[in-house]
Amino acid sequence: AQKITQTQPGMFVQEKEAVTLDCTYDTSDPSYGLFWYKQPSSGEMIFLIYQGSYDQQNATEGRYSLNFQKARKSANLVISASQLGDSAMYFCAMRRTGTASKLTFGTGTRLQVTL
Amino acid sequence: EAGVVQSPRYKIIEKKQPVAFWCNPISGHNTLYWYLQNLGQGPELLIRYENEEAVDDSQLPKDRFSAERLKGVDSTLKIQPAELGDSAVYLCASSPSGARGTQYFGPGTRLLVL
Repeated sequence: AQKITQTQPGMFVQEKEAVTLDCTYDTSDPSYGLFWYKQPSSGEMIFLIYQGSYDQQNATEGRYSLNFQKARKSANLVISASQLGDSAMYFCAMRRTGTASKLTFGTGTRLQVTL
Repeated sequence: EAGVVQSPRYKIIEKKQPVAFWCNPISGHNTLYWYLQNLGQGPELLIRYENEEAVDDSQLPKDRFSAERLKGVDSTLKIQPAELGDSAVYLCASSPSGARGTQYFGPGTRLLVL
C-alpha cells in the first residue's frame, strides 16, 4: 500500500519569497513516481512537477523544484519567487511506475500568498 | 491541444434521484480515471479504464455507481439513486501510455445532493 502525508494544512508566504511544502511518503514498491498538483478554487487539478524514484537529479520546472530525499522518503515542493496567483491547494501524490496505476494523494496544503 | 472536458460543472439534485457525469479525455490518451474528492481531502480513485476495459473498479460502490467507456474514448459515470453522502467533486483524468503516464485532470463536476 502507498501513503502520502502532508503535515501542513495551511501555509502563508509573502509575495516574491520562496516557500517549501512538505510531503513524506511510504511505499513498498521499488519503482515509483512522485507528483505535485495545484488546485485553485476553480477546482481543476493542475500538474506541476514529476520525480521518478530512480532519477539522479531533483526535478525542476520553472519556479517549481522538487527536493527529493529518497532515504528520508520525502519529496518537498519548493516554489521560488511566489506570486499572488500561486494561492491554491497543493497536493502531493505518488504511483507505481511501469503501469498506468492510480495516484495516491495526500490531504493537501493550502498556500496563501500575501502582499 | 484540448484538455480533459467534463460536464456538467455543477449539479444539484434531490436524494434518491439519478445523476450522470460525462468526460472526454485528451485525444490519444488510452487510460481514463474517475476520482472522487470529498471536501478537505485528496482525490480517491473510483475506476480506471484501459481503452474500453475497466481494469480497476475495486473502489467503485457497485450497488449505486456504474460507469462505461464505450468505444474507448469518452466516459459516463452514473449514480442511481444518489445519497446525501455522495455530495463531492467528481474528477476525470486521462494519461498517455508509458511508464511515467502523467495524469491530466478535467475541471470536475461539483455534485450537491439535497
